[in-house]
Amino acid sequence: DTGVSQDPRHKITKRGQNVTFRCDPISEHNRLYWYRQTLGQGPEFLTYFQNEAQLEKSRLLSDRFSAERPKGSFSTLEIQRTEQGDSAMYLCASSPGQVRNEQFFGPGTRLTVL
Amino acid sequence: AQSVTQLGSHVSVSEGALVLLRCNYSSSVPPYLFWYVQYPNQGLQLLLKYTTGATLVKGINGFEAEFKKSETSFHLTKPSAHMSDAAEYFCAVTDPRFGNEKLTFGTGTRLTIIP
Repeated sequence: DTGVSQDPRHKITKRGQNVTFRCDPISEHNRLYWYRQTLGQGPEFLTYFQNEAQLEKSRLLSDRFSAERPKGSFSTLEIQRTEQGDSAMYLCASSPGQVRNEQFFGPGTRLTVL
Repeated sequence: AQSVTQLGSHVSVSEGALVLLRCNYSSSVPPYLFWYVQYPNQGLQLLLKYTTGATLVKGINGFEAEFKKSETSFHLTKPSAHMSDAAEYFCAVTDPRFGNEKLTFGTGTRLTIIP
């Protein structure tokens, strides 16, 4: 069990550029979640997948954000035309999907938009 | 909608002293409750959780929490603080009526341990 991994760990980009983050969940975990954490705040839910199906999206997820989970394994989160307000830590978590199971979090990707 | 309030964004205790981190929730139904810890530049690690059953829950690293429905609280305690406990702590809730396990977090409490 290697845990949830995220890549890259840090990303610095200029405003207006597109960025893509990757999350590899724990093997055989069929649920995958994305959260965003800004400085001094708790994580906020963005979206989640059950296998390859994206079942819920937060209103925080504007049209510039898109997430995929092809084949129900790894997931990608893309932000188009980045803005300075997108600067945050993006956290990925996975769970086996059974009731009362905990979510296992990855180390996060810290995005800085200049 | 559910929400979580963590009283005290910063808490300082002396090494060996009692740790008490406060969490109150708002929910129309009894929620599932969690405490997570976050060390600098790392993801979140589950300390403990309450779903059903015994209201006093024991977790890792000597932490425990008690679900008090009448007070809508789920405070985190540890009898004797250790330097390694210095971190950010988050209380979170999820609505058991829905199967999505989506977590709603509080704003966190930064715990500092004084040598």
